[in-house]
Amino acid sequence: GAVVSQHPSRVICKSGTSVKIECRSLDFQATTMFWYRQFPKQSLMLMATSNEGSKATYEQGVEKDKFLINHASLTLSTLTVTSAHPEDSSFYICSARTGGNRAFFGQGTRLTVV
Amino acid sequence: GESVGLHLPTLSVQEGDNSIINCAYSNSASDYFIWYKQESGKGPQFIIDIRSNMDKRQGQRVTVLLNKTVKHLSLQIAATQPGDSAVYFCAETSSGNTGKLIFGQGTTLQVKP
Repeated sequence: GAVVSQHPSRVICKSGTSVKIECRSLDFQATTMFWYRQFPKQSLMLMATSNEGSKATYEQGVEKDKFLINHASLTLSTLTVTSAHPEDSSFYICSARTGGNRAFFGQGTRLTVV
Repeated sequence: GESVGLHLPTLSVQEGDNSIINCAYSNSASDYFIWYKQESGKGPQFIIDIRSNMDKRQGQRVTVLLNKTVKHLSLQIAATQPGDSAVYFCAETSSGNTGKLIFGQGTTLQVKP
């Protein structure tokens, strides 16, 4: 199946700093990618839809200035958590859909803000 | 986000038995459904999908059943193995929904040897 690579897999940062997470589709082009957040023992919550060449679409309650999304090419979307705080600590997961409807997921990024 | 932030229910089965995991979806306009398996610390892994014009689809050791009348989806795993232990999520989308997937609550499957 299609491969989606997410980097880094783990990151620890100090409170107040910013962290960038990359999501790449390795063997297909993705005009749309999705960013999810997952707290322990809970489901995935959609944060935003990343659109290549245009602004991301954020879900209700997600701060767009806090979670900056850039989708500059057909194979790369980035999520930057700005001025991170301990409550931003979570598991962040991206996904991309192929030409069909099937979505493939990255391996996730464990963010810990200390 | 639109998914429900509840703690995950757990299904415990004996190795070799069949497992049935259930999911209630929310949007009557959804026309494509997927089951994912998530192991600890990893991203979701595709298991099987089904479109709304079908009510059953079979894969290798897995079967998905769709009941649109009551908005219910189930995943059946035959001859459950220890490697099947994971969290299972159903996800829904509609062709008019920009392709975004909305995840259900999730179920933890524990396989006892």
